[in-house]
Amino acid sequence: KAGVTQTPRYLIKTRGQQVTLSCSPISGHRSVSWYQQTPGQGLQFLFEYFSETQRNKGNFPGRFSGRQFSNSRSEMNVSTLELGDSALYLCASSFGANTGELFFGEGSRLTVL
Amino acid sequence: QKEVEQNSGPLSVPEGAIASLNCTYSDRGSQSFFWYRQYSGKSPELIMSIYSNGDKEDGRFTAQLNKASQYVSLLIRDSQPSDSATYLCAMSYYNQGGKLIFGQGTELSVKP
Repeated sequence: KAGVTQTPRYLIKTRGQQVTLSCSPISGHRSVSWYQQTPGQGLQFLFEYFSETQRNKGNFPGRFSGRQFSNSRSEMNVSTLELGDSALYLCASSFGANTGELFFGEGSRLTVL
Repeated sequence: QKEVEQNSGPLSVPEGAIASLNCTYSDRGSQSFFWYRQYSGKSPELIMSIYSNGDKEDGRFTAQLNKASQYVSLLIRDSQPSDSATYLCAMSYYNQGGKLIFGQGTELSVKP
């Protein structure tokens, strides 16, 4: 069974640009969550989607957005990038909603110059 | 005060010893608790989940939850060098299961 797949794995952007990250969950998993990981702040929750609906949202500015498609694949977008957005963005999936038993992908490493 | 707190470590134990990792949380509304392991350069992986007071054992791992004292711990028996990693404590509130609040993690080093 394939794991959670995230693309791209690495990317470099400049301030002011926007970026879209993609996540394909484990087959059969309908819930996708996104997390940001930085050395200073650790792992922070961004959003959670289940059946194309956003169930929860973290304390991030509106520049951070996401969506989920009917096949459970998810994307997150960050607009008007800032230096502080440099981080590892992790996607996680689970079979059902409302569970913290998550399976994480390898992440997308974003560097903002 | 952070919602979930862990000692950052590093915690160093000799091979074969018991490693004890602790986590405290501030909100009594916390419902579910999890331990994730993260190897350097890798993504977190779930080790244990615990939802009610008491102990839960899985192989060499035992999770302990004490809601009255607001702490959760992870014991690793017969520690192996392959257990060297950062251990992340996480919790979620009722009906917000996918929204995990993580501690900063404790770095564990198991010396041969």
